[in-house]
Amino acid sequence: AQSVTQPDIHITVSEGASLELRCNYSYGATPYLFWYVQSPGQGLQLLLKYFSGDTLVQGIKGFEAEFKRSQSSFNLRKPSVHWSDAAEYFCAVFNTDKLIFGTGTRLQVFP
Amino acid sequence: EAGVAQSPRYKIIEKRQSVAFWCNPISGHATLYWYQQILGQGPKLLIQFQNNGVVDDSQLPKDRFSAERLKGVDSTLKIQPAKLEDSAVYLCASSPGRTPNEKLFFGSGTQLSVL
Repeated sequence: AQSVTQPDIHITVSEGASLELRCNYSYGATPYLFWYVQSPGQGLQLLLKYFSGDTLVQGIKGFEAEFKRSQSSFNLRKPSVHWSDAAEYFCAVFNTDKLIFGTGTRLQVFP
Repeated sequence: EAGVAQSPRYKIIEKRQSVAFWCNPISGHATLYWYQQILGQGPKLLIQFQNNGVVDDSQLPKDRFSAERLKGVDSTLKIQPAKLEDSAVYLCASSPGRTPNEKLFFGSGTQLSVL
């Protein structure tokens, strides 16, 4: 069965530091991959998505993600984190008409 | 553009009681989803509507959960009777269609606590 794994439950970084959130997927064909962000008390917001083509995709809020087929990964990155980036981040894969979400990574940002 | 509206924002009930959640999707969006998000987990799809028809309800506990989408617009999700393990945030989302490149728009959710 298709699945998404986010190995890190909780990550803490200092403001201005770089960030990488890990995501691994289990899927036979080329997957449709997504990153969503959920701020406290808010719904999920799409950061970026990958369907095909260039394996490095740019998203909103300065985020980017790189699709690596050999590693079955789709890690999210940001070169310099802002305090407002503190939130829960979810990786997801699209499978037969529905999104399957990972368990999420909670990002905490210290000043 | 108005977003996905959900109500109530919070609900506290005792086990074995019933509860209902309401969702108004973005105007013109054909596809509507209900997700359950238990604390510490990712959202899990409960049911997906295309207009007023059910596309996928394979993960909906049908002995206690029901959902409808009248006239292909608003939707209601009901739990009767509620169990302690139903405590979660219930998220509604909508999209113009069902293809992967359709962006999902999520509401803020209804946080349910079952005591």
